[in-house]
Amino acid sequence: DTGVSQDPRHKITKRGQNVTFRCDPISEHNRLYWYRQTLGQGPEFLTYFQNEAQLEKSRLLSDRFSAERPKGSFSTLEIQRTEQGDSAMYLCASIPGFSFSGANVLTFGAGSRLTVL
Amino acid sequence: DQQVKQNSPSLSVQEGRISILNCDYTNSMFDYFLWYKKYPAEGPTFLISISSIKDKNEDGRFTVFLNKSAKHLSLHIVPSQPGDSAVYFCAASAPRGDDKIIFGKGTRLHILP
Repeated sequence: DTGVSQDPRHKITKRGQNVTFRCDPISEHNRLYWYRQTLGQGPEFLTYFQNEAQLEKSRLLSDRFSAERPKGSFSTLEIQRTEQGDSAMYLCASIPGFSFSGANVLTFGAGSRLTVL
Repeated sequence: DQQVKQNSPSLSVQEGRISILNCDYTNSMFDYFLWYKKYPAEGPTFLISISSIKDKNEDGRFTVFLNKSAKHLSLHIVPSQPGDSAVYFCAASAPRGDDKIIFGKGTRLHILP
């Protein structure tokens, strides 16, 4: 098991372009989370999936953001018409089971850093 | 509204001494608390956790203390080592029905030689 993988690690784009990030969670982890981290802040929740179902979306996730997990395995996060304020580290995490306790902790990937020029 | 607060952006501690990182929370429904550690260019990694039914949890050099009446928890690292230099995030989760972890802004710990 290689842990949570995220691709690309760094993306530089011009304002107005679309970008897509991919996350491969630890195999057989039911839940997959997307967080965003900006400078000086902790990770902020964006959305999460239980298998292929998207169960919750944060108000931080504007209409320009969409996330999918079509087969309950990998997930993509797309940002359309990027803005400079979208520049951040996008973190993916996964967890086995359905609650945070004991050995059930979020395991994060290394993140995808987005820079919007 | 920040539900998990880490009021010290940074902390410097001499190698070999005790590091104490503090965290306050406002939501009394939180029932599980975690500390994550983050190095530059890496994702956060889980360090230690504590359930709200306990007031202390220990794992090697790391101990987390929970004071529910004060809505306060702290992470103690003894003895501090150079590899402990990182950003530490306090995090909390509520019972099922609010299935996400809320993070504080983090405290950058510098271990001085």
